[in-house]
Amino acid sequence: EVQLQQSGPELVKPGASVKISCKTSGYTFTEYTMHWVKQSHGKSLEWIGGINPNNGGSSYNQKFKGKATLTVGKSSSTAYMELRSLTSEDSPVYYCAKLGDYDVGFAYWGQGTLVTVSA
Amino acid sequence: DIVMTQSHKFMSTSVGDRVSITCKASQDVSTAVAWYQQKPGQSPKLLIYWASTRHTGVPDRFTGSGSGTDYTLTISSVQAEDLALYYCQQHYSTPTFGGGTKLEIK
Repeated sequence: EVQLQQSGPELVKPGASVKISCKTSGYTFTEYTMHWVKQSHGKSLEWIGGINPNNGGSSYNQKFKGKATLTVGKSSSTAYMELRSLTSEDSPVYYCAKLGDYDVGFAYWGQGTLVTVSA
Repeated sequence: DIVMTQSHKFMSTSVGDRVSITCKASQDVSTAVAWYQQKPGQSPKLLIYWASTRHTGVPDRFTGSGSGTDYTLTISSVQAEDLALYYCQQHYSTPTFGGGTKLEIK
């Protein structure tokens, strides 16, 4: 069974950085791109970017370039997203997500990580 | 970026009714559309991809249709557990999502 287990909620100060993790199991980690999605409170979903765990190649939504950095740890089958220069606008829930078998549609999601930015 | 517009933020329906949720793309996305259901406190759940293909385990009361720029998710006989937010997403290019439609049960 495919599982994506994200790290717990974070409370950070404005201007700080945070690194969220997504530990995977139930499939071959290096064979599927890991994606990250943002959901602000009361708002919709935004694709942040995706990373190929096999070669580390990544693509980003232009809006999040310079804000988010995606990395992986192959040995632990874990994906990471670092967010920097956080503001209160950056206090949503972040999800890691994996496409389904036909490479379309996000069929598997982590449980979400809430990041609260507050002084 | 392709903009996905769900014109109804809220829809109210009764158990047993048929309801259709619509989504319009800013350009032709060639049926590359997925639908998701999100219940309070949960992650989104994939229902439909390629506009009309039901994901594994999705009840057959959920049906997707559409082409070009206009897409619809239909629930043939609404159940109480279908109370949720529904999002469309295009997978034609860089993924973008609609703003969501909240289905409320009368």
